[in-house]
Amino acid sequence: QSVLTQPPSVSAAPGQRVTISCSGSNSNIGSNYVSWYRQLPGTAPTLLIYDNNKRPSGIPDRFSGSKSGTSATLGITGLQTGDEADYYCGTWDSRLSAYVIFGGGTKLTVL
Amino acid sequence: QLQLQESGPGLVKPSETLSLTCTVSGGSVSDRTYYWAWIRQPPGKGLEWIGSFYFSGNTFYNPSLQSRVTISVDRSKNQFSLRLSSVTAADTAVYFCATLKVGMTAPKFDYWGQGRLVTVSS
Repeated sequence: QSVLTQPPSVSAAPGQRVTISCSGSNSNIGSNYVSWYRQLPGTAPTLLIYDNNKRPSGIPDRFSGSKSGTSATLGITGLQTGDEADYYCGTWDSRLSAYVIFGGGTKLTVL
Repeated sequence: QLQLQESGPGLVKPSETLSLTCTVSGGSVSDRTYYWAWIRQPPGKGLEWIGSFYFSGNTFYNPSLQSRVTISVDRSKNQFSLRLSSVTAADTAVYFCATLKVGMTAPKFDYWGQGRLVTVSS
């Protein structure tokens, strides 16, 4: 069971907006920044968001991130069928050096 | 642009040692701006960070695997490796190598290998 809690699945229609939550505690999200990764079927994850709300070059502004307290949220607007994927949050666990933890992942279905 | 490629046996017997290698191209394993990391994903499940190696020789491991894991670097071959001992069926997973940017306030895995499925079975 993952230390960071994500909903197993979310769904929305094309063109709509969806949010994915990631809940943790003071020793992880509460004291660190959050990254988000997208994993298309059969491929390696790719970085979507880092430092809570920054996008690497090439990631469209349809993707956004935020953090409040011990929770983080990934937002996707203008949903496209190509957004169907698994999404993972990740952060540091402050109890150990360079200790990375991930959420359990959320399957996004674009109806 | 960094490129990573995992290699190694796709089938390991229970109680034996899993060994994988990640070959780096387009960059150097001596690059001080990265940790060199391994992450795994059991079939149908989520991501689990295994550990990271820094050029200074410092290693950082997931506490749940620490007693069985070794990550090392071969600078002459520009590769880094994973060894996981005493494997069981629970270690069956796709194993990814990846770069983890140093000094970030959030874990930033910039580059990933394509992944290597390792099955533990007799």
